[in-house]
Amino acid sequence: ETGVTQSPTHLIKTRGQQVTLRCSSQSGHNTVSWYQQALGQGPQFIFQYYREEENGRGNFPPRFSGLQFPNYSSELNVNALELDDSALYLCASKGQNNEQFFGPGTRLTVL
Amino acid sequence: GQSLEQPSEVTAVEGAIVQINCTYQTSGFYGLSWYQQHDGGAPTFLSYNALDGLEETGRFSSFLSRSDSYGYLLLQELQMKDSASYFCVSPSGGYNKLIFGAGTRLAVHP
Repeated sequence: ETGVTQSPTHLIKTRGQQVTLRCSSQSGHNTVSWYQQALGQGPQFIFQYYREEENGRGNFPPRFSGLQFPNYSSELNVNALELDDSALYLCASKGQNNEQFFGPGTRLTVL
Repeated sequence: GQSLEQPSEVTAVEGAIVQINCTYQTSGFYGLSWYQQHDGGAPTFLSYNALDGLEETGRFSSFLSRSDSYGYLLLQELQMKDSASYFCVSPSGGYNKLIFGAGTRLAVHP
């Protein structure tokens, strides 16, 4: 039990649609990161937010965007969904000693 | 660029010891972490080596040699519940992001 929750657990969308995924971090954790994990692969860093500002981004196009709120919740928004966006999306809040606490993830399927 | 290489699969029996190796190439190095992920679950933190040497946490140990760009995770007294994927991970960009290896799938058999 990491204290990081995500919703929804599963989601099915069609190509071209938009999706919003939500994450609630541990209280006091000001840094949240989002990762995309394709089947059989390691998680890939999408971006990180610190105190409601984006402060690091991986190799993902601008149609991947995010928000972080003062209550330690955050959102990942993906526009113009593509088939390759089908993956497990994980959020993680940063603890001490370089440890990150991952939520259970949202499984997105794009048809 | 940055990359971490690890074996794709390892098989072992209950009670045995297994070592999962990881070699890395990074433009800036901030240490090596290990995460465990069960099927359908979230990655969970196992260990972090900032400096060379061995870190021990119960049945799990992790080793780092920065001069060799190499590390490993050692799992002792294997249990069925240890069947999972194990990722070597390197923080990057001033800890802004984690770079994951592709993962090693460990299967523990009776």
